[in-house]
Amino acid sequence: AQSVAQPEDQVNVAEGNPLTVKCTYSVSGNPYLFWYVQYPNRGLQFLLKYITGDNLVKGSYGFEAEFNKSQTSFHLKKPSALVSDSALYFCAPRDSWGKFQFGAGTQVVVTP
Amino acid sequence: EAQVTQNPRYLITVTGKKLTVTCSQNMNHEYMSWYRQDPGLGLRQIYYSMNVEVTDKGDVPEGYKVSRKEKRNFPLILESPSPNQTSLYFCASSALGDTQYFGPGTRLTVL
Repeated sequence: AQSVAQPEDQVNVAEGNPLTVKCTYSVSGNPYLFWYVQYPNRGLQFLLKYITGDNLVKGSYGFEAEFNKSQTSFHLKKPSALVSDSALYFCAPRDSWGKFQFGAGTQVVVTP
Repeated sequence: EAQVTQNPRYLITVTGKKLTVTCSQNMNHEYMSWYRQDPGLGLRQIYYSMNVEVTDKGDVPEGYKVSRKEKRNFPLILESPSPNQTSLYFCASSALGDTQYFGPGTRLTVL
């Protein structure tokens, strides 16, 4: 059985400061790892994914994530947060059978 | 434009009245899935389909049915809705193993 944990319900950061949203996972077989973002009253938008290769993955809007196999983590990062980054972020591992598992989500609040 | 569409976007109904939420994608994706989103619980998968005529239960399938007669359509059926099915529902599609694309969501209220 697969599982995913986003340990922080909310992350508060000042604009211009680095942003980190944490994710740990448990997936049978090789993991496929995704991050999605949900803006208010909108559907989910794809940010980035790790399938194989380089452990540092770069995605949309200046976000990146680092795959750490030994710690089974896939933390999302942005070097300099913007107020417009305020949204709900979901980590979503996918197993080799095609089933996605979404975390509970982390609300990011960026203050001016 | 590549997209996933859902209808209706908003629905208020009463307990026990059968309803169907339609989902359609124009990207020729094999994989389609339904999720419900509830505060504090994130997205939970209801059913998914790896291809036509192939469907499988997700984490919370009770009270729901799906069918996949055509590649582009994946309707979600609530035969006898109950208030605990009040939620925000998302349909998604993807090529196998690839990024999921989500529909705009359907907000369902069951009275």
